[in-house]
Amino acid sequence: QVQLVESGGGLVKPGGSLRLSCAVSGFTFSGYYMSWIRQAPGRGLEWIAYISNSGSTIKYADSVKGRFAISRDNAKLYLQMNSLRDEDTAVYYCVRENWRSVDYWGQGTLVTVSS
Amino acid sequence: DVVMTQSPLSLPVTLGQPASISCRSSQSLVHSDGNTYLSWFQQRPGQSPRRLIYKVSNRDSGVPDRFSGSGSGTDFTLKISGVEAEDVGVYYCLQGTYWGFTFGPGTKVDIK
Repeated sequence: QVQLVESGGGLVKPGGSLRLSCAVSGFTFSGYYMSWIRQAPGRGLEWIAYISNSGSTIKYADSVKGRFAISRDNAKLYLQMNSLRDEDTAVYYCVRENWRSVDYWGQGTLVTVSS
Repeated sequence: DVVMTQSPLSLPVTLGQPASISCRSSQSLVHSDGNTYLSWFQQRPGQSPRRLIYKVSNRDSGVPDRFSGSGSGTDFTLKISGVEAEDVGVYYCLQGTYWGFTFGPGTKVDIK
């Protein structure tokens, strides 16, 4: 069965960096676009980055452009987060894209940005 | 960015009764390929979201047939034919026609 397992979340100070990872299994990773979506505590959902199956196409939401970088290799998806701000505090979900939507979600990893 | 709105934002429902959630987009969601990329998600308390519907009206595998999606252009609707206790949660619409893909603010469904 399809599984997406995020790791790497935690507490970081404003201006700091963090790298999230997502290990996938149960499907052919190279055949799918992948993305990161986040949800601030008690708030809605924000799609922040996606990467094509080959890695040749990458897009970012304006809120993270220039600070975050999505990448992939083998059976892992990554999100490098730099210059973190208080407003980046959220649960970050690794997701598989399907029909310009999401058919599978990870359990999420919490990132807390606070001094 | 395309702005997605939902109404109502809170929906108390009686068990067994139907429920309906509206989702509107600030511009038409018809893609140049002819598809309309509007999907619906359910997020139960403490869980990751789960997709119910994609491309307006296509139900995902394992989703009960009491859930249905309809609409076109800028106006879309999610209907639950008879609400069950397990349907409590927040429901989101998502447009995938234009990058950055955007979610609606969510509609909280609970039992009266």
